[in-house]
Amino acid sequence: GESVGLHLPTLSVQEGDNSIINCAYSNSASDYFIWYKQESGKGPQFIIDIRSNMDKRQGQRVTVLLNKTVKHLSLQIAATQPGDSAVYFCADLEANAGGTSYGKLTFGQGTILTVHP
Amino acid sequence: DTGVSQNPRHKITKRGQNVTFRCDPISEHNRLYWYRQTLGQGPEFLTYFQNEAQLEKSRLLSDRFSAERPKGSFSTLEIQRTEQGDSAMYLCASSLGQTFYNEQFFGPGTRLTVL
Repeated sequence: GESVGLHLPTLSVQEGDNSIINCAYSNSASDYFIWYKQESGKGPQFIIDIRSNMDKRQGQRVTVLLNKTVKHLSLQIAATQPGDSAVYFCADLEANAGGTSYGKLTFGQGTILTVHP
Repeated sequence: DTGVSQNPRHKITKRGQNVTFRCDPISEHNRLYWYRQTLGQGPEFLTYFQNEAQLEKSRLLSDRFSAERPKGSFSTLEIQRTEQGDSAMYLCASSLGQTFYNEQFFGPGTRLTVL
């Protein structure tokens, strides 16, 4: 993930709109990418993941796009709801030399999503 | 509720005191992670256990920090001689490590404030 500053990017949308949250990563060796949602006072919650051999993956109301050429990841949320308001983090995972991983996550900069009713 | 619990949820201490946090992972999970999260930042990896073995420690984990997982179940993270810079949220996560990636389930965290 990228180094982060004290001021998180923010995204403010109206209920029902689609949201796109972006993330840049720096490690070319990253093999696995995950989006997490973190609500106030809670730990990060898994949303969706994608392997490096894919460029798109869809879940329920969410889509993750991966562009390895520019090391960019995006999370699209369809029909955003007030309950989607949270901080969203991307995280990446690097395989060990043997092609395995013990799961050390590197988190990127979070984005604060605010959904207005 | 992910099934990972952490205690206490909040801890306020004076500089120089020692503190200990506990994490109870999901029972069948063999992997346990500790992360630290400061305000406005994403979580940063501190250390990782596979069963009772501590297999990696971040350089963020100074010699004032120690983590244990004595029976391969719950884990404790101790900070000795706390400093104001230790103020953060300490997150624990667990996973069932059988394949390349198994989802990490995070606990609610312990928020430490060092006065």
